[in-house]
Amino acid sequence: GAVVSQHPSRVICKSGTSVKIECRSLDFQATTMFWYRQFPKKSLMLMATSNEGSKATYEQGVEKDKFLINHASLTLSTLTVTSAHPEDSSFYICSAALTGSFNEQFFGPGTRLTVL
Amino acid sequence: DAKTTQPPSMDCAEGRAANLPCNHSTISGNEYVYWYRQIHSQGPQYIIHGLKNNETNEMASLIITEDRKSSTLILPHATLRDTAVYYCIVKGSGTYKYIFGTGTRLKVLA
Repeated sequence: GAVVSQHPSRVICKSGTSVKIECRSLDFQATTMFWYRQFPKKSLMLMATSNEGSKATYEQGVEKDKFLINHASLTLSTLTVTSAHPEDSSFYICSAALTGSFNEQFFGPGTRLTVL
Repeated sequence: DAKTTQPPSMDCAEGRAANLPCNHSTISGNEYVYWYRQIHSQGPQYIIHGLKNNETNEMASLIITEDRKSSTLILPHATLRDTAVYYCIVKGSGTYKYIFGTGTRLKVLA
């Protein structure tokens, strides 16, 4: 099956620093990738849709200058949390959809961000 | 907003069938029903999806009512490793976007 990886799996950073999270589709090409965040015992909340070669589309209430998304190739999307604060601490999950397919998305294992 | 409602939690004895219901009364004709599960601190895992016919794969069966307003995911012989949060998602064929609801936390008991 299609595999999506994320790196790092866990990151701890100081308040005010920026953190980059990578999402890779390992064995398929993904025109579209998605970024979610998840707070403890809560559901996944879609943050943005990342399209290869174009600007990301952000969901309402998500600050695009705070969460920078780059989708430079068909196998890589990055999410950068800029000037992180403790309230940004969360579980960040990406997913990728097969190019040309409207069926299932494949999810990465998630990245646990802790901002001190 | 999510288009589905699910019970917040369920228990199931190991080895028995787990039947997880989902209501999607506002589903439209071109929307599919997808089921994913999320084991603690991992990314969601695809289980099954369907449009109007019942579906079965190696993991589960999906039963969709004739009016398509509800569905049931069946894990035929639940094991402890099936303990997870199960999400029912409705998605149109012309979109990639998933909107997750609150899901059902299934606990399989030894």
